[in-house]
This record gives sequence, structure tokens and C-alpha cells, in this order.
Amino acid sequence: DAGVIQSPRHEVTEMGQEVTLRCKPISGHDYLFWYRQTMMRGLELLIYFNNNVPIDDSGMPEDRFSAKMPNASFSTLKIQPSEPRDSAVYFCASSLSTTQYFGPGTRLLVL
Amino acid sequence: AQKVTQAQTEISVVEKEDVTLDCVYETRDTTYYLFWYKQPPSGELVFLIRRNSFDEQNEISGRYSWNFQKSTSSFNFTITASQVVDSAVYFCALTPMEGSARQLTFGSGTQLTVLP
Repeated sequence: DAGVIQSPRHEVTEMGQEVTLRCKPISGHDYLFWYRQTMMRGLELLIYFNNNVPIDDSGMPEDRFSAKMPNASFSTLKIQPSEPRDSAVYFCASSLSTTQYFGPGTRLLVL
Repeated sequence: AQKVTQAQTEISVVEKEDVTLDCVYETRDTTYYLFWYKQPPSGELVFLIRRNSFDEQNEISGRYSWNFQKSTSSFNFTITASQVVDSAVYFCALTPMEGSARQLTFGSGTQLTVLP
């Protein structure tokens, strides 16, 4: 069975550009999570959805970040405009009950 | 509020040694789940185990074993006869069992290096 799929795996962009990260959860899972991992702050939950509805976005750092889940098989995390401090690995995870399964992550570098 | 503490930032062992990774947690919830995840150098986060707060029975899976002690709020992870492929960052995590919250609270991770 396919796991959580994220694209792109690597993204290098310049400050001020828009960045869109994509996630396809495991089929049948009803929760989807976006995390950010940095050396300084570790793993941080940004936002999560249940049945495509955002439940808690208190971890979204600021208005430059937005996330959508238009259907059960797709979600995006957008940063506009991007800044160097947004450089991190962004993980998407999905779950059916409690156990979260993570995608391979997107390594973002903002120059 | 919940908190997970992994006091060991880095551990280095020689292959075939046993190693224990410590995890101590704090929660006001009476029921909760505990997890361990592995993050190898390739970067993905791999689920290893989930335990619920009802069940303090230790679990063994091959060379891996987990010791859950509610009295000391600890959920330690032991690797027996470590191998180079065990080198990774290991994260302990916690989530409440009741309610709608599904957030995982992660520890800061323990970097395990197994030397040949």
C-alpha cells in the first residue's frame, strides 16, 4: 500500500517567492497533519484537518502560511511570501485512528 | 499541557552493545497514547510502536523492547545487540486518548550512533 506522498521532495527558492507543498494522505485516513522540523525548534505541528476541515491551526506561524484540503486525497501548504527563516523540513502525516504515518518530507531552502 | 522529555541528546555505542533510550512524559490526561518514531539519516519518520496508558505490559519486537512504567511516567526503549542500521534519531511522543485533540507532543529526540 502506498504511504503518505509528498511533493516536491526538495525545493530551493528565493526570498519573496511563493512556495506550495503538496501531500496525498493514505487512502481512507480521515486526519491530516502538517509539521515543520528545524534544528532549533524540533518537530512543530502547524495545522491539522479532520475530514478535510481544519481543526487546529494555532501552530501556523503567521499569515504568510496557509493550508487547504480540498478533498480527502489532497492537501497543500502554501507560504507566500517565503523568507529564509522558513527553511526547514515540512512533513505531512495522516491517521485513521491515533497512529500518525508520516510522508518523506519536503526539504525547503529559502535563499 | 503535555510535555515529553528525552534527556539524552546523543548516544554512541559500539555494534552489538545494548542501548536504552529514555523518555519521560508529563500529562494531566488520565488516558493517553505513547509512541516511538525512528528518523534515519534519510530523513523520513518511521512509526515503531504505540502503547496505551491502560497497558503497562512490556513489549518486545525482535531486538526492540519497550518498558512502560506509569508510576514514573516513563516509556523507555531498548535496542538489544545494536547494529549500524539502528543509527538514527529516535523520538518519543504522546497524545491524549480522549477528546478531539489529535496532536502529537514530541520529545526533542535522541541521536543514536552505532559504531562498527
